[in-house]
Amino acid sequence: AQSVAQPEDQVNVAEGNPLTVKCTYSVSGNPYLFWYVQYPNRGLQFLLKYITGDNLVKGSYGFEAEFNKSQTSFHLKKPSALVSDSALYFCAVRDSTGGFKTIFGAGTRLFVKA
Amino acid sequence: KAGVTQTPRYLIKTRGQQVTLSCSPISGHRSVSWYQQTPGQGLQFLFEYFSETQRNKGNFPGRFSGRQFSNSRSEMNVSTLELGDSALYLCASRVGAGENTEQFFGPGTRLTVL
Repeated sequence: AQSVAQPEDQVNVAEGNPLTVKCTYSVSGNPYLFWYVQYPNRGLQFLLKYITGDNLVKGSYGFEAEFNKSQTSFHLKKPSALVSDSALYFCAVRDSTGGFKTIFGAGTRLFVKA
Repeated sequence: KAGVTQTPRYLIKTRGQQVTLSCSPISGHRSVSWYQQTPGQGLQFLFEYFSETQRNKGNFPGRFSGRQFSNSRSEMNVSTLELGDSALYLCASRVGAGENTEQFFGPGTRLTVL
């Protein structure tokens, strides 16, 4: 069965500093990994995805994510945080063996302080 | 291109009633998924449909049902509402049936059960 864990409920970072939001996963087959962001009173928006290939994936708004197969991790990163990055971030996984469902992590709330 | 639309946006019902929520996917998208989002449980997978067929169902009681029409629009129904059904219900569409495509989310329907 597939699962995904976001070990931090909340991440606090100062504006201009690098940020990392952690995600680990478990799947039977090859993983398809996604990051989504939810701003207050808005739906989820797609940020980036890993399918296969380069372990460093670049996405929207300057975000990137690093895929590590041995550690089964897919951490979200940004070199310089903005106050406007403050939001709820979700990691999600689909499994190549099928199942036709996306499993989401519990979410990590990011606070960027000016 | 118009995004995913959900109607109604807000709904207040009483225990024991039933409710139907509607989702119109992005034009050309044939896969629709539904999720329940609550503060305590995060995003929980309800169903996924593709070409009018339910491909998977999450761990929800039989009171939760759904369907997809030939134009890819989808509805979900909850019968005999309980207080615990109060949540934000999100619909998401994808362009195809593959496991590697990202989802596009609607704004959600906020259901309150009194």
